[in-house]
Amino acid sequence: EIVMTQSPATLSVSPGARATLSCRASQSVSTNLAWYQQKPGQAPSLLIYRASTRATGIPARFSGSGSGTEFTLTISSLQSEDFAVYFCQQYNDWPYTFGQGTKMEI
Amino acid sequence: QVQLVESGGGLVKPGGSLTLSCAASGFTFTDYSMSWIRQAPGKGLEWVSYISSGSSRTKHADSVKGRVTISRDYVKNSQYLQMNSLRAEDTAVYYCARDLGGYLDVWGQGTTVTVSS
Repeated sequence: EIVMTQSPATLSVSPGARATLSCRASQSVSTNLAWYQQKPGQAPSLLIYRASTRATGIPARFSGSGSGTEFTLTISSLQSEDFAVYFCQQYNDWPYTFGQGTKMEI
Repeated sequence: QVQLVESGGGLVKPGGSLTLSCAASGFTFTDYSMSWIRQAPGKGLEWVSYISSGSSRTKHADSVKGRVTISRDYVKNSQYLQMNSLRAEDTAVYYCARDLGGYLDVWGQGTTVTVSS
């Protein structure tokens, strides 16, 4: 199966700062990659699909990039509601696999 | 509004069985594939099972293969995950999600399964 590795495990940033999260696939997944945000006690919610397309209602401060094996989620100016855990997921091949998550903390 | 509501979780003994349900509303259920994803306490996300829009195709994670059955009821607009031979490592919050060709755009709130004697 394709192993997804996220870094860093924890990212400490200040409100208003820019944050860059990384996701690496053990083999190429083309652009079949999604990003999700999960807040404590809540289900994950879709942020980005096809590596760079924002889901409906997602603010423009969230952007995704990359293809093949290297992907990045960038949050341009962190708001208080952005402090959460972020997961990447590949859907290029079965089984779907997720990264272990990056926790964004203040 | 588009909504998924899971139910059926609970406490079950090792070796026991449980069937999870996911009721869909606010969209044309027959048009979409569906998946189940789980999250063990304090852990990350693990995809569990998939069923195509017409139920012709199903997929399962190796960790549950042979122990789970995924199905859909188009009259009730629901999908189900029947789980047998449950193990402690199956303890998790189970989410159902709408599957748009691999990415999961709508998630339910989850139902908790605890496998313990």
